[in-house]
Amino acid sequence: QQQVRQSPQSLTVWEGETAILNCSYEDSTFDYFPWYRLFPGESPALLIAIRPVSNKKEDGRFTIFFNKREKKLSLHITDSQPGDSATYFCAASRNNNNAPRFGAGTKLTVKP
Amino acid sequence: DAGVTQTPRHEVAEKGQTIILKCEPVSGHNDLFWYRQTKIQGLELLSYFRSKSLMEDGGAFKDRFKAEMLNSSFSTLKIQPTEPKDSAVYLCASSLGLGVEQYFGPGTRLTVL
Repeated sequence: QQQVRQSPQSLTVWEGETAILNCSYEDSTFDYFPWYRLFPGESPALLIAIRPVSNKKEDGRFTIFFNKREKKLSLHITDSQPGDSATYFCAASRNNNNAPRFGAGTKLTVKP
Repeated sequence: DAGVTQTPRHEVAEKGQTIILKCEPVSGHNDLFWYRQTKIQGLELLSYFRSKSLMEDGGAFKDRFKAEMLNSSFSTLKIQPTEPKDSAVYLCASSLGLGVEQYFGPGTRLTVL
């Protein structure tokens, strides 16, 4: 059972467009939602994260929109660049004895 | 600062073999995680340790996968016996705790023939 779901599986946008990556979760007790970015041949690295006290988190061109009621969040990448091409993982965790859960990832391709 | 290190980076095994993957977490990190990365499932949890104690086992992986943390700076993941469907990238990560950033190692790419 996938506790964290991501869509779409893959996404292609043109340079300069806004890419929107979606994530949903099942367990309402999750209280920390990081997004990790994976470039080919590298390790996943934290990109941006949000906690439910906020419904929006911004870091440069990257913004997380969070809807606690619907248990959904999305990552918006504005002015997408070819260098943003990577796989993006949404994760969810809670401060108990369980490890963070990851979605299956969205592979983003930005065409010049 | 040394990040998470994993060895070997690549492993090729014959079906039925036993393989052992190794991980050294970031110094001072209390939590250590093993994940399997595939294109279909993404990152699947294999094991989670806190201060060397096993906190969580990925249910589907219990029969042939065994992770151990012998000390705070070293962990192993044993797969016995290997099957072709085990071919994947195995990632080790560590963190100061839950609800904070995880630091991932470079991974071990396992191919089972």
